[in-house]
Amino acid sequence: SQTIHQWPATLVQPVGSPLSLECTVEGTSNPNLYWYRQAAGRGLQLLFYSVGIGQISSEVPQNLSASRPQDRQFILSSKKLLLSDSGFYLCAWSPGTGPTDTQYFGPGTRLTVL
Amino acid sequence: GENVEQHPSTLSVQEGDSAVIKCTYSDSASNYFPWYKQELGKGPQLIIDIRSNVGEKKDQRIAVTLNKTAKHFSLHITETQPEDSAVYFCAASSGLMNYGGSQGNLIFGKGTKLSVKP
Repeated sequence: SQTIHQWPATLVQPVGSPLSLECTVEGTSNPNLYWYRQAAGRGLQLLFYSVGIGQISSEVPQNLSASRPQDRQFILSSKKLLLSDSGFYLCAWSPGTGPTDTQYFGPGTRLTVL
Repeated sequence: GENVEQHPSTLSVQEGDSAVIKCTYSDSASNYFPWYKQELGKGPQLIIDIRSNVGEKKDQRIAVTLNKTAKHFSLHITETQPEDSAVYFCAASSGLMNYGGSQGNLIFGKGTKLSVKP
C-alpha cells in the first residue's frame, strides 16, 4: 500500500530564516505531487504541483519554491520566511497513470513564523 | 476557472441524526467530486468520491449524490456518531493532470465544521 510522509511535523522559525519541508511517498512510482497551504480555519490553497522529476508548476506567486529531486520526493523551500508564511502545509500525491485526479494527503507540517 | 461553494460552514447535529453538506460548482466540465474529512491537526482523509457518470454512491453510513444539471453534489452522513465530528471539504476537478496546465487540479470548498453532540 502507499504511504506519504512529511517532516518535520511542527516547526517554529524566525522571520527571515530559511525553510525546507520534505515530503516522500512510498509504494508507488511516478506519482503526481502537490503542496498545499491551509491557513487557520480556512480552506486549502494549492501552491505547487509536479507531474515528474524537475517538472514543477506554481499556482501562486510567493517567496516559496518547490523542487522534486527524486521521483517520490517533494521539497518546499524558502530563502527568507515572512510572517504570512505561517500555516499548515500539506503534501499530497495522486497516481501518475489511471485516475490521476484522486489525491491523498500527508499528515501535514505546522509552521509558525515569529 | 472552477469555483466551488460549500454550505453550511458549520453544522451541529445530535448523535444518531443525519447530516447533509452541499456543494455547488461552476465548471460544467468538472467530472470528479471527492469528499475529505479533516480531524484537528491532521491531513485531510479521502472518505468518498464520485465521478460524473454516476448519480449516487454509498459506503456504509456515508453517501454522495451528484446532480450534473444543477451542478451540485452533496454528502450525506446517516446515524451520526461523535467520531464523525470534523471539518469536511468537497472538491471538484475537470480532468487529468498536465504539466503547465491546471485542468486536473482539485478546487476545494471552504469546508464545513460538523459537530455531533452525544
